[in-house]
Amino acid sequence: QKEVEQNSGPLSVPEGAIASLNCTYSDRVSQSFFWYRQYSGKSPELIMSIYSNGDKEDGRFTAQLNKASQYVSLLIRDSQPSDSATYLCAVRGSGTYKYIFGTGTRLKVLA
Amino acid sequence: SAVISQKPSRDICQRGTSLTIQCQVDSQVTMMFWYRQQPGQSLTLIATANQGSEATYESGFVIDKFPISRPNLTFSTLTVSNMSPEDSSIYLCSVFVGGASTEAFFGQGTRLTVV
Repeated sequence: QKEVEQNSGPLSVPEGAIASLNCTYSDRVSQSFFWYRQYSGKSPELIMSIYSNGDKEDGRFTAQLNKASQYVSLLIRDSQPSDSATYLCAVRGSGTYKYIFGTGTRLKVLA
Repeated sequence: SAVISQKPSRDICQRGTSLTIQCQVDSQVTMMFWYRQQPGQSLTLIATANQGSEATYESGFVIDKFPISRPNLTFSTLTVSNMSPEDSSIYLCSVFVGGASTEAFFGQGTRLTVV
């Protein structure tokens, strides 16, 4: 059973701090990794995709991938109350279009 | 990205009835997917909707319960048949947009409550 694991949280950080969200996956041949933000009652919104080991930055967001450790993370710098949401990690394996989603980490940014 | 419109946005249905959910995309897309998100849970893939052929269902989901149509490259429907309260979920369509991209974008979802 291919799995994607996330800590459900809530992860509480003060406004302006760095929020660090983590995800591990079981399928070693996974190729593509995605972070989605989901506000309560809304659909998931793609924040970042990452395909190669290392860091990828986009504005306040940085995705980090370590395929050897089967670990992907999302850093949110200068966290804002509007960042409060559930963050879903998704993984796509090799040779498939299917995504496997983690259960999500609920982030609370405290003003 | 693309504009992905789902209808209805929500519905309350009686058990034993069926509901058809529509997904319209503003551009032609090859890959279209249907997901279920049960309360407090993550997303589970129901099926991949293929234009011109039968949908491909994931383990635990069957065509009789979740028939899917994909008449063209911009539209798909998912029917939830013979509903029970356990079918109360958010149903989401998702597409890959743009050539070889495998970044998935989601419609706004259909919140279904079965009573």
